[in-house]
Amino acid sequence: EVQLLESGGNLVQPGGSLRLSCAASGFTFTSHAMTWVRQAPGKGLQWVSTIVESGDKAYYADSVKGRFTISRDNSRNTVYLQMNSLRVEDTALYYCAKATSGTCDQWGQGTLVTVSS
Amino acid sequence: QSALTQPASVSGSPGQSITISCTGTTSDVGRYNLVSWYQLLPGKAPKLMIYEGSKRPSGVSNRFSGSKSGNRASLTISGLQADDEGDYHCCSYLSGGWLFGGGTKLTV
Repeated sequence: EVQLLESGGNLVQPGGSLRLSCAASGFTFTSHAMTWVRQAPGKGLQWVSTIVESGDKAYYADSVKGRFTISRDNSRNTVYLQMNSLRVEDTALYYCAKATSGTCDQWGQGTLVTVSS
Repeated sequence: QSALTQPASVSGSPGQSITISCTGTTSDVGRYNLVSWYQLLPGKAPKLMIYEGSKRPSGVSNRFSGSKSGNRASLTISGLQADDEGDYHCCSYLSGGWLFGGGTKLTV
């Protein structure tokens, strides 16, 4: 059974930093790109970032480019999202998802990030 | 890039059918045959209901079907059941990322 377990969400002040983690199990981690998607309160889903299987290429939404960094440790089956210079508008539930052939086919339950003074 | 357009809400009675539309552009929905649909329920992980426009993952009821025409994709739920109630989000793959709709709240 595929499991994706996010952690690291917290309350942080504007300008602060957080690192989210997503521990994966139940599938061959090195065969899949991994993605972070977020949902702000009362809003739709928004793609944040994707990292390819090898970890040597990453993609970002314009709204987080230059502030967020995605990475993965294939020896630990874990993907990370380092979030710097956080803004109030980054407040959201952050989901980790496994990507297969252009589809996010398995998701975690999310971790909540709140940016507020 | 702007989000895909979905109706904010739809409703139907048990046993009826409903359709949720998802409108994009020639750069997303119209360009790729990689539209997916997700069901979001409070406190649960999003669940993939339809992928590649019309394919159903294993375990998803055949009451759920998807289609696409031009820049518009649709999710149809037939034989509505009470536990279908929730939020449904469409998604289109883009090169290097994904574009989502704003979500549609289904009330049964």
